[in-house]
Amino acid sequence: GAVVSQHPSWVICKSGTSVKIECRSLDFQATTMFWYRQFPKQSLMLMATSNEGSKATYEQGVEKDKFLINHASLTLSTLTVTSAHPEDSSFYICSGAQTSGNTIYFGEGSWLTVV
Amino acid sequence: DAKTTQPTSMDCAEGRAANLPCNHSTISGNEYVYWYRQIHSQGPQYIIHGLKNNETNEMASLIITEDRKSSTLILPHATLRDTAVYYCIVLTDKLIFGTGTRLQVFP
Repeated sequence: GAVVSQHPSWVICKSGTSVKIECRSLDFQATTMFWYRQFPKQSLMLMATSNEGSKATYEQGVEKDKFLINHASLTLSTLTVTSAHPEDSSFYICSGAQTSGNTIYFGEGSWLTVV
Repeated sequence: DAKTTQPTSMDCAEGRAANLPCNHSTISGNEYVYWYRQIHSQGPQYIIHGLKNNETNEMASLIITEDRKSSTLILPHATLRDTAVYYCIVLTDKLIFGTGTRLQVFP
């Protein structure tokens, strides 16, 4: 199947700093990408949907100024956690939707720990 | 909100078929049913998806009822490595995950 790659896989940052997570579709073009986060023993929670070249659509309760999403190309979307705090520590996962074939593939996830 | 309901957990003996049910009674005519699984601390892995017809690939089979209100994912010969949380999702304009079914395959 198609590959979605996230970077970094693990990141530790100090409280108050910003962290950027990249999501790349390696062998297909993803007009739509989804960002999720997952807390331990919970399901994935959709944060936002981004379409290439346009602003992301955020789910209710997700602060768009804190979680900045950029989808500048058909193969790259980024999530920036601004002014991170310990409660932002989580597993962040992205997925890309192929323009054809109706299949959505997920990245390996990125563990963020804010200390 | 998720449009699907699944049992919280299931057990299956290694080598036997694992049948994972999913109810999606409010599904619309053009909405697909997707199945993913997640092994601890990894991103979800795509398994299969379907609209109306039954589907089969190298990983699993998907049986969708005629009224499309429910479906069953079948792993024909479960192995220990199939132990994971399995998510049944109806794709609208986004993928909303429910709580999934925790499948435990035992020796």
